[in-house]
Amino acid sequence: DGGITQSPKYLFRKEGQNVTLSCEQNLNHDAMYWYRQDPGQGLRLIYYSQIVNDFQKGDIAEGYSVSREKKESFPLTVTSAQKNPTAFYLCASSIVGAVTKAKNIQYFGAGTRLSVL
Amino acid sequence: SQQGEEDPQALSIQEGENATMNCSYKTSINNLQWYRQNSGRGLVHLILIRSNEREKHSGRLRVTLDTSKKSSSLLITASRAADTASYFCATGNTGGTSYGKLTFGQGTILTVHP
Repeated sequence: DGGITQSPKYLFRKEGQNVTLSCEQNLNHDAMYWYRQDPGQGLRLIYYSQIVNDFQKGDIAEGYSVSREKKESFPLTVTSAQKNPTAFYLCASSIVGAVTKAKNIQYFGAGTRLSVL
Repeated sequence: SQQGEEDPQALSIQEGENATMNCSYKTSINNLQWYRQNSGRGLVHLILIRSNEREKHSGRLRVTLDTSKKSSSLLITASRAADTASYFCATGNTGGTSYGKLTFGQGTILTVHP
């Protein structure tokens, strides 16, 4: 998990509440990603960002929002519009550049487990 | 959408045996990667194979890629109890809006009994 810190490890959301998951990296990576993982399932992409102040929707962006004001930070907000937020959320980062773009190896944080009260 | 389909979904073996996991995908790729996830943790990159490669080795890991069949396999030789984890394949592209993105499969849960 080195270099990418997700917090908190566990988070509880009340109905109608927005909650924000933190993701910070010190790897100097350009690209950052948010995934959702449901029990026994693979990873589904929520949002990704390839550069500061720019981000793109993934496959399941509805009910989520992100910002990328700093290269090292990519927080994810789970809004009240997300009716089934209980899941394991993973943040990742990767280098983006002419030399490495053919690799796009991703480095992951330890995850945040979100539950609904 | 999940491009990769992994097979089997779960695999249970004894220590010292080999473990083989398969992955199939649907679209053209630039590379295919395998990741490992211990229970309740993040994913860790294991190995990458490019679309123009057919086989790659790293320690006890051997990966093959058959682009004509759109499939890959991960072989772990002489397995250990510490290899118990979920294993995911992920396909990568470098073109257009897919730049840098990976598409993950559903994963294979490997249990190695001591």
